[in-house]
Amino acid sequence: DVKVTQSSRYLVKRTGEKVFLECVQDMDHENMFWYRQDPGLGLRLIYFSYDVKMKEKGDIPEGYSVSREKKERFSLILESASTNQTSMYLCATGTGGAYTQYFGPGTRLTVL
Amino acid sequence: GNSVTQMEGPVTLSEEAFLTINCTYTATGYPSLFWYVQYPGEGLQLLLKATKADDKGSNKGFEATYRKETTSFHLEKGSVQVSDSAVYFCALDRSGGYQKVTFGIGTKLQVIP
Repeated sequence: DVKVTQSSRYLVKRTGEKVFLECVQDMDHENMFWYRQDPGLGLRLIYFSYDVKMKEKGDIPEGYSVSREKKERFSLILESASTNQTSMYLCATGTGGAYTQYFGPGTRLTVL
Repeated sequence: GNSVTQMEGPVTLSEEAFLTINCTYTATGYPSLFWYVQYPGEGLQLLLKATKADDKGSNKGFEATYRKETTSFHLEKGSVQVSDSAVYFCALDRSGGYQKVTFGIGTKLQVIP
């Protein structure tokens, strides 16, 4: 079974803080994704990566950056957290040529 | 651009009722279509998929048929259970296996005993 873990289930941060969200997968998948989930908006893609040290912007990259130094780990970074980044953040993984994405349980981030 | 339209809900049904959740899409070419399900407190998981027109995806009693002529992929189940209470996301992949997926807003289903 694919296992995708996220570093925290719940996180509370202050405006202006630097925030790291980490995602780790154990299935050697090439592809990794970061989404945010908001009521009425569904899931929106922030960044994705098809390989180590490779990253591409998704639909809403502003205010975020990512890092992928190892194949199994994909980090989402909020350089200076703002209240409009309060959301549920979901990490997903997958393998090229296949269709299924495998999701972690999510991190609910609150920025005060 | 690509988009997926579904109602947000909540949809409230009694146990053993028939379920339909509508999904329509806009995309160029021939996307692959998916239904994902999110149970309370969990991430999403793939429920079913269809990769070409007229394909029927099915899993756990749920079905959806890829209708190119109506650009639709409606989710159906003949008899829902309380354990089916969840949020259901319709999605499409137009990237030919690169997994750049566009999700709908999600439909919350509540099944009452």
